Amino acid sequence: GAVVSQHPSRVICKSGTSVKIECRSLDFQATTMFWYRQFPKQSLMLMATSNEGSKATYEQGVEKDKFLINHASLTLSTLTVTSAHPEDSSFYICSAQQGARTEAFFGQGTRLTVV
Amino acid sequence: EDKVVQSPLSLVVHEGDTVTLNCSYEVTNFRSLLWYKQEKKAPTFLFMLTSSGIEKKSGRLSSILDKKELSSILNITATQTGDSAIYLCAVEGYAGKSTFGDGTTLTVKP
Repeated sequence: GAVVSQHPSRVICKSGTSVKIECRSLDFQATTMFWYRQFPKQSLMLMATSNEGSKATYEQGVEKDKFLINHASLTLSTLTVTSAHPEDSSFYICSAQQGARTEAFFGQGTRLTVV
Repeated sequence: EDKVVQSPLSLVVHEGDTVTLNCSYEVTNFRSLLWYKQEKKAPTFLFMLTSSGIEKKSGRLSSILDKKELSSILNITATQTGDSAIYLCAVEGYAGKSTFGDGTTLTVKP
């Protein structure tokens, strides 16, 4: 199957700092990338959908100024958590889709801990 | 609002047992239903279902979609300890967005 690489896999940062998470599709062009957040023992919650070259579409309740998403190319999307707070600590996962009506492939996830 | 409900939430079986996991949904502009297996980190893809009544099979796993009943089942036969995981059902709707269920935590005991 297709490979999606997410980096870093784990990051610890101080409150008030910003953290960037990268999501790369390694062997296909991802027209759409999705960013999810997962709390312990809970399911994936969609945060935003990003299409290459256009602004991300955020789900209700997700602050776009706090979670900045950039989908600059067909193989790379980034999520920046700005001014991180301890409540932002979570598991963030991206997925990438090559085209409509195809399955999405997931990155390995990033465990963010804000201290 | 799109909604996906999975049952049971958790299940404990012994090796060799057969299990059936359920997923029901309410989604506008249904495109597909997907099953994922999640172990320690990111989910891995199992099946994508778009047509009703056609069973998809991969080894001991199989799945079928019932669009009339707005539901799907995932069957695992002759379970093994390596099948222990969270099984997630997701439904793809408008603009390709997927809504996930809460998952079924399967524990297979030796």
